[in-house]
Amino acid sequence: GAVVSQHPSWVICKSGTSVKIECRSLDFQATTMFWYRQFPKQSLMLMATSNEGSKATYEQGVEKDKFLINHASLTLSTLTVTSAHPEDSSFYICSASFLGGVSYGYTFGSGTRLTVV
Amino acid sequence: AQRVTQPEKLLSVFKGAPVELKCNYSYSGSPELFWYVQYSRQRLQLLLRHISRESIKGFTADLNKGETSFHLKKPFAQEEDSAMYYCALSVENDKLIFGTGTRLQVFP
Repeated sequence: GAVVSQHPSWVICKSGTSVKIECRSLDFQATTMFWYRQFPKQSLMLMATSNEGSKATYEQGVEKDKFLINHASLTLSTLTVTSAHPEDSSFYICSASFLGGVSYGYTFGSGTRLTVV
Repeated sequence: AQRVTQPEKLLSVFKGAPVELKCNYSYSGSPELFWYVQYSRQRLQLLLRHISRESIKGFTADLNKGETSFHLKKPFAQEEDSAMYYCALSVENDKLIFGTGTRLQVFP
């Protein structure tokens, strides 16, 4: 249980275009989802916290106009990288928190590798 | 400041040897700590959570508030334990702060 599905798994786009990444909770309702960015050989850096029905909370240094987050339902959050540039190339991972007794924790998507050319 | 420190980027051991992956944290509140594992080409998976005090795949971790540590241990490493291990701290609003990770290599 508590599976998060993330799509696409990889995407290549031209500089200046926008890319949307979807994160779905398959068997539970996720009121809160998180978006991370991971550079090669580095740790996961939290970008923003996405709350269903309200505005996302962005971490310091993350441009909210560039990384648009929409959490329109209890099972779907999207991250749109607007006007992408090569420096936005990275691995993006979504996560959702869930409650389940001793299983309480966070479940992660499989990630999206974005390459901007 | 909220911080998770994993001092070792790489830990290499032979099969059957004991393993300890170090994790230290800095947090003014009551800490809630996790270990996550990422096998090659797979997503992050929860390995264990300090509150549940369980042993998963032979791994254990004890929260030491005096030393602000949550080291991950296994008495006898197996080749299939080779993976990336992340220590994480849950802070306000359910945010997770990750350490930089330790790559464990277990040689036959």
